[in-house]
Amino acid sequence: KAGVTQTPRYLIKTRGQQVTLSCSPISGHRSVSWYQQTPGQGLQFLFEYFSETQRNKGNFPGRFSGRQFSNSRSEMNVSTLELGDSALYLCASQGVSDEQFFGPGTRLTVL
Amino acid sequence: GQNIDQPTEMTATEGAIVQINCTYQTSGFNGLFWYQQHAGEAPTFLSYNVLDGLEEKGRFSSFLSRSKGYSYLLLKELQMKDSASYLCAAPTSGTYKYIFGTGTRLKVLA
Repeated sequence: KAGVTQTPRYLIKTRGQQVTLSCSPISGHRSVSWYQQTPGQGLQFLFEYFSETQRNKGNFPGRFSGRQFSNSRSEMNVSTLELGDSALYLCASQGVSDEQFFGPGTRLTVL
Repeated sequence: GQNIDQPTEMTATEGAIVQINCTYQTSGFNGLFWYQQHAGEAPTFLSYNVLDGLEEKGRFSSFLSRSKGYSYLLLKELQMKDSASYLCAAPTSGTYKYIFGTGTRLKVLA
């Protein structure tokens, strides 16, 4: 089975812009979760989608949003970018025991 | 509150055994996970414990004590390629879905 894929791998934006990241889970997996990873805060949960519905949400501002399509692919959007949004954004699809299979991530730099 | 604690950094020698500890406090309990993350790469799933005791998987073993809110990852016959961060994680019954520790950076020296 192909693994989790994420696009783009690298992105440079300026403050105030918005960005959309894409994730395709492992074939057959219906749950997709998004995480933000920074050196200071570690890995933090953003939200989880299952069958096109947001099932869980972490403690992030409303500028962070997501959606999931009928083919389980998911997108994450960040509006009005801030310098502190610079991070590695990881998408994961969920296995049968809740284990997370991570994609390679999108490295976002906000200037 | 909900929290996961693990040491920030550990150093060990090639061929040795190392134990990485993790203590957790979460609302509800749905298992304890360990992930390995090499620098510049995504985390990869290592092990999952839902019952007390030791789970062995080749050179890696993971232990859980639910009554003590404690887990450890044991790495035997250390190899240079084991130099990585090891993340302890627990799903919660709250809205946060998953809480991760900040990771233990393991350096394996020749």
